[in-house]
Amino acid sequence: DTGVSQDPRHKITKRGQNVTFRCDPISEHNRLYWYRQTLGQGPEFLTYFQNEAQLEKSRLLSDRFSAERPKGSFSTLEIQRTEQGDSAMYLCASSSKGPETQYFGPGTRLLVL
Amino acid sequence: AQRVTQPEKLLSVFKGAPVELKCNYSYSGSPELFWYVQYSRQRLQLLLRHISRESIKGFTADLNKGETSFHLKKPFAQEEDSAMYYCALPPDDMRFGAGTRLTVKP
Repeated sequence: DTGVSQDPRHKITKRGQNVTFRCDPISEHNRLYWYRQTLGQGPEFLTYFQNEAQLEKSRLLSDRFSAERPKGSFSTLEIQRTEQGDSAMYLCASSSKGPETQYFGPGTRLLVL
Repeated sequence: AQRVTQPEKLLSVFKGAPVELKCNYSYSGSPELFWYVQYSRQRLQLLLRHISRESIKGFTADLNKGETSFHLKKPFAQEEDSAMYYCALPPDDMRFGAGTRLTVKP
């Protein structure tokens, strides 16, 4: 499968714990996006990278959230001191041009107890 | 601020009936709009973009700048069209509507 992959697919954690998610984009794609999707809502943009540079961050990305993309390949999204409101599906997408050509991963579903 | 609104959370039609999923947008400038679809247990995927003016799986969407709308239409719905549909608006990142769950009944 040469599509976008995300790991883990599911994560259950207790409030206050830190979690880290990984996204592996399609290999030739230089842009990588993170979205959050809560129940009944469409995906909400969090941040995006062009190669290793983080070019835009949403106001949704509080200080507890950090994303990296070392070497412009895979990316990680870390949430520190998780809160119940962080429970959501976290989606990653990659593209070779702009957001209009992005391909989505299967998502990581986070449940914070 | 750029925004898309999908006024219907749920839409149910019978097989063979026409279907229209509504999308309204707010954008200063010349927008480029998209429809994404997510079938059960599958990834979110692009269905069509207005700039290509093509029909995908029998669906079409016309940008109406006067009404600021980009409604998705299909003249004869099929059961396999049952899915979540999202309207979306770039340019810097993709702003998605809340989505409409389409159910096509046999």
